[in-house]
Amino acid sequence: DVVLTQTPPTLSATIGQSVSISCRSSQSLLHSNGNTYLHWLLQRPGQSPQLLIYSVSRLESGVPNRFSGSGSGTDFTLKISGVEAEDLGVYYCVQGTHAPFTFGSGTKLEIK
Amino acid sequence: QVQLKESGPVLVQASETLSLTCTVSGFSLTNYGVIWVRQPPGKGLEWMGIIWRNGNTDYNSALKSRLSINRDTSKSQVFLKMNSLQTDDTAIYYCTRDYVMDAWGQGASVTVSS
Repeated sequence: DVVLTQTPPTLSATIGQSVSISCRSSQSLLHSNGNTYLHWLLQRPGQSPQLLIYSVSRLESGVPNRFSGSGSGTDFTLKISGVEAEDLGVYYCVQGTHAPFTFGSGTKLEIK
Repeated sequence: QVQLKESGPVLVQASETLSLTCTVSGFSLTNYGVIWVRQPPGKGLEWMGIIWRNGNTDYNSALKSRLSINRDTSKSQVFLKMNSLQTDDTAIYYCTRDYVMDAWGQGASVTVSS
């Protein structure tokens, strides 16, 4: 099974600060159809997860454009350009290229 | 509007079988797959399995021997069954749409009692 290594496990940021989260895969997430199914989710406290970014860099509808994703192959990054208070929660990367799909272990974002 | 809703028992005895239903609306199960995900208290997300739009399934390697996912497309329902429950199966169980996971249910909290 694919292992996703997510770092850092926790992140503390002030409002307006830019932060990045890394997700590294144990094997390439490039699908045979040419797509890369690496997505980013946010789980706010007490809520269900929500999709932020899909297929590496595509912003889900309704998600603020301060969120962006990049990467290819085995290395991926989520960036928040100017953290806001509502961004607190746990961020997960998830791969949908190789079944069984797998999640990263999560990054908890705290607001200072 | 795309919606998913999990339903099932809140409390299950150890060694018994868990049965959960995911009822979807706003899309067809013949066009989208449905994934089950669970989250033990205070822990991260665990991918359990998927039923694809063609009815095929894939399962988490660690759960494969006791997990099955089926569906009734006419009722827009997906079913999860997992047997031989243990206390560490206590979790919130979510269903979510397809491999992009762009819509989630509110989750069903399940406690396994010994």
